[in-house]
Amino acid sequence: DSGVTQTPKHLITATGQRVTLRCSPRSGDLSVYWYQQSLDQGLQFLIQYYNGEERAKGNILERFSAQQFPDLHSELNLSSLELGDSALYFCASSSHGNTEAFFGQGTRLTVV
Amino acid sequence: SQQGEEDPQALSIQEGENATMNCSYKTSINNLQWYRQNSGRGLVHLILIRSNEREKHSGRLRVTLDTSKKSSSLLITASRAADTASYFCATDRYRDDKIIFGKGTRLHILP
Repeated sequence: DSGVTQTPKHLITATGQRVTLRCSPRSGDLSVYWYQQSLDQGLQFLIQYYNGEERAKGNILERFSAQQFPDLHSELNLSSLELGDSALYFCASSSHGNTEAFFGQGTRLTVV
Repeated sequence: SQQGEEDPQALSIQEGENATMNCSYKTSINNLQWYRQNSGRGLVHLILIRSNEREKHSGRLRVTLDTSKKSSSLLITASRAADTASYFCATDRYRDDKIIFGKGTRLHILP
């Protein structure tokens, strides 16, 4: 158990809908990362927060947004969903940047 | 791009043999990490090597880093069935907290 909790584990939704994925980082970790992993692909970096502030942004679509709350949990919002958004979405946390990251078990999103 | 690229994409070896995976990257890095992912599950951190280090060991794992060639290798000795997984290298740059992953090497240990 990495100490990072992601909910829900599975999500099935229709095209055009909006979903929110939640991540609770490891106790004491200030940094949260979000990644997207499509079938048989590597992890695409989406966005990183540190202590509530956006720190780095990857190739995140405009339809996607995220935030980190004062209690350090984070949410990833995906809107106007398309079939191609079906993927595993991982959250990871670390104590600060440039150290090992601890991953949650992911949320498997299926858009139908 | 910063993204690491693992080689080979897939590797099958007999149990007990050593497995070597390579990672190449394009920009200067601060740290390089290796992670393991069992099918469809979260990634597990294996080892971190800093840019000023050349070699690191952890149990049956040995990682080398050659910053002049912008490459790293992960050696798993005496492989076991439980080592079957995908292995990813990940890099970050100085003053840039992004951790960028490669596409991984799929390792299959044959009984």
